[in-house]
Parts: sequence; structure tokens; C-alpha cells
Amino acid sequence: AQSVTQLGSHVSVSEGALVLLRCNYSSSVPPYLFWYVQYPNQGLQLLLKYTSAATLVKGINGFEAEFKKSETSFHLTKPSAHMSDAAEYFCAVSYTGFQKLVFGTGTRLLVSP
Amino acid sequence: DGGITQSPKYLFRKEGQNVTLSCEQNLNHDAMYWYRQDPGQGLRLIYYSQIVNDFQKGDIAEGYSVSREKKESFPLTVTSAQKNPTAFYLCASSTTEAYEQYFGPGTRLTVT
Repeated sequence: AQSVTQLGSHVSVSEGALVLLRCNYSSSVPPYLFWYVQYPNQGLQLLLKYTSAATLVKGINGFEAEFKKSETSFHLTKPSAHMSDAAEYFCAVSYTGFQKLVFGTGTRLLVSP
Repeated sequence: DGGITQSPKYLFRKEGQNVTLSCEQNLNHDAMYWYRQDPGQGLRLIYYSQIVNDFQKGDIAEGYSVSREKKESFPLTVTSAQKNPTAFYLCASSTTEAYEQYFGPGTRLTVT
């Protein structure tokens, strides 16, 4: 079965520091991969997606993610954290011909001044 | 503006009562989904529908029911058979060509 693993339920960074949120997927076929962000008591907003084009994907708010097939990873990064980045982040995977998304358990990003 | 609306934002019910959560979209998307979110468990799929008058069970359908009579609407009923209904419920939609889903603002249901 498809699955997504997000390492670390909480990640803390200082404002201005690098943000790295980890996501690994299980797959025997090419996946589609997504990162979503959720602010408290709100729905999910799509940050970026990988759909087998460029392996380095740029998203909104300065985030980007790199698809590494050899490592089955799709880690999310941002060079410099901002206080407004504090939120919960979800990695999700889907597969060709199968529209259901499978979500990871989420990583809460805490940004300190 | 196109989007997904869920109402109400907060809902309170007594144990043993059925309750229906509303989800409407004006994105002209064919597919719609219902998820349940609990702390530390991510999102779990309850039901999904790829076309009007058709829907499939997701991973945790027990105690829930849905209907899809119109393309724009996909209401979810939480029945008294759902053992632990208190949660945050999210509705989403997508086209049949793309795989990303777009989410509504959610409804927080509290059952006491």
C-alpha cells in the first residue's frame, strides 16, 4: 500500500534559519507528490507539487522541494524562515490513474524570533 | 471567486444525534472528497466521489454516509453509529485530469 512518512512531528527553527521538512514515500511506480500547509483551524493550501517534470519544484512563499527517486524522498526546504511560516505541513502522494491522496501525519513548524 | 465552502465552521451535537456537514464547490470539479483530521494522525479519507450519483468508501467510512446529487454539492452525514465523531472535517475537490486537491476551510464537530 502507498504510504508517506514525515520524520519529526515538530521542527523548531529560528527566524532566518533554513527550514527542512522531511518526507519519504513508498512506491513501486512513479508517484505524484505534494506539500500542503495548514494554519490553525483552516483548510489545507497547496504549496507545491511534483508530477514527473523537473525534479526541483518551486512553490509559493519561497518553498521548494526536490524529488530524489534513489532516496524515495521529497523534502521541503526554505532558505530563510519567517514567523509567518509557523504552521503544520503535510506531504501527500498519489499515483498515476489513481486520484486518491495519501497523507503523512504532518510536521508542525515552530519559528522563534 | 471560485472555491469550496463548508458550513458551519463549528458544530455542536449531543451523542446519538445524526448531523450533516455541508460542502459546496463552484470550481466545476468532478471529484469531491471528505477527510477527517485528528491530532497526530494526519488526514484520513472517509468517502470520495468522482462523478454525480456515484461515490466510494474511503479508509474510515463506518458511521458516515454521503450523497452526490449535484456536481457542486457533497454533504456528509455523521451518524450515531460513528463511535468517536468529534474531529475536524475537511472537504476537498479536484479535476479528473490533475491530482492535486483543493480544500475547504473545514468544520469542527464536537459531540458531547
